[in-house]
Amino acid sequence: SQQGEEDPQALSIQEGENATMNCSYKTSINNLQWYRQNSGRGLVHLILIRSNEREKHSGRLRVTLDTSKKSSSLLITASRAADTASYFCATDAFKAAGNKLTFGGGTRVLVKP
Amino acid sequence: GAGVSQSPSNKVTEKGKDVELRCDPISGHTALYWYRQSLGQGLEFLIYFQGNSAPDKSGLPSDRFSAERTGGSVSTLTIQRTQQEDSAVYLCASSSRLAGTDNEQFFGPGTRLTVL
Repeated sequence: SQQGEEDPQALSIQEGENATMNCSYKTSINNLQWYRQNSGRGLVHLILIRSNEREKHSGRLRVTLDTSKKSSSLLITASRAADTASYFCATDAFKAAGNKLTFGGGTRVLVKP
Repeated sequence: GAGVSQSPSNKVTEKGKDVELRCDPISGHTALYWYRQSLGQGLEFLIYFQGNSAPDKSGLPSDRFSAERTGGSVSTLTIQRTQQEDSAVYLCASSSRLAGTDNEQFFGPGTRLTVL
């Protein structure tokens, strides 16, 4: 079973709008990471937030983490057509999970020009 | 430096044949992971190598699947007697996994396997 569950599964927005997607997980974590995947190929690391952090920014990306609710959100502001991709959250529970990341099912984002 | 590379990029095979997929991780990365992704789905963990430790094989779906990592670098994922349900994109990732690092994973472009 997957550690992370993402919501929504798919999202369609107009260029310039903001896109928000959420990730919930089940066990304690060391950090949570977000990845982007274009065209079903390799994933690209976007941003990492540690368990003792609550919010982090990177360019147009904003990530929040609520460890009490075991959830995270990824916000993409002022979206562009090039942001069309699938976005995955991944949790690192460190030794408790055998030192490997556990990925969610992903959110497919379509940004319409 | 070069990123993670995988070969072949595409592989079409007939049911019952064996296939080998190769992954070249980033030089110096001690951790190497294999994932499988079926069409439109998330990533399914298969196997994890960390240095000289015994690999974590907990994600391998059957005994037809095996993987090796030679010399702590290149890895080969072997699928014996392929079945149509093995059709997927097989992704490899590596990370430095040093003390104090955050286990950011760097992915290869994947191998798209089609079993006819």
